[in-house]
Amino acid sequence: DQQVKQNSPSLSVQEGRISILNCDYTNSMFDYFLWYKKYPAEGPTFLISISSIKDKNEDGRFTVFLNKSAKHLSLHIVPSQPGDSAVYFCAAYNSGTYKYIFGTGTRLKVLA
Amino acid sequence: DTGVSQNPRHKITKRGQNVTFRCDPISEHNRLYWYRQTLGQGPEFLTYFQNEAQLEKSRLLSDRFSAERPKGSFSTLEIQRTEQGDSAMYLCASSLAGTDEAFFGQGTRLTVV
Repeated sequence: DQQVKQNSPSLSVQEGRISILNCDYTNSMFDYFLWYKKYPAEGPTFLISISSIKDKNEDGRFTVFLNKSAKHLSLHIVPSQPGDSAVYFCAAYNSGTYKYIFGTGTRLKVLA
Repeated sequence: DTGVSQNPRHKITKRGQNVTFRCDPISEHNRLYWYRQTLGQGPEFLTYFQNEAQLEKSRLLSDRFSAERPKGSFSTLEIQRTEQGDSAMYLCASSLAGTDEAFFGQGTRLTVV
């Protein structure tokens, strides 16, 4: 049972435009949601998180939006840069179990 | 560098051999996680420790897998009698209780031939 889903395996965006990566989840017990960025042969790097009691969190070019009623979150990157090209993982955290559950990732390619 | 450190970065082993990986978490972090990632998948939870106590193990962690964190600092993950299906990236992460972010190491890529 895939509790966290990223339905788009890949996304291509022109440099300077907005990248929108989506994530859906099924378990309403998740407390926090996180986005990680991963380059090949490296571990995931934490990008940004959002508490389940908020609907938006912004950090520089990165903004995460949470729609609890739809069990959906999205990561917006604007403006997109070629260095943003990587695989992005959405993760959900349950503070009752202390576990992070990851989606399958979306490969973002930013075209120069 | 005060991030999560994993050794070795790469390991190639013959089927049937035992392997051991090490993870050094961020020093003040009391939670430590092991995850496994295969191609095209997200990281899958294997086990986690709070200090030296192993609080949960995934059903993915067969009897051939064992993890320890004897002094609540570094951790080791041992795989006995490796199989080709064990080939994956093994990721370690650490976090501080009361915070939500987990920080990952660079991973150990295991190839079983």
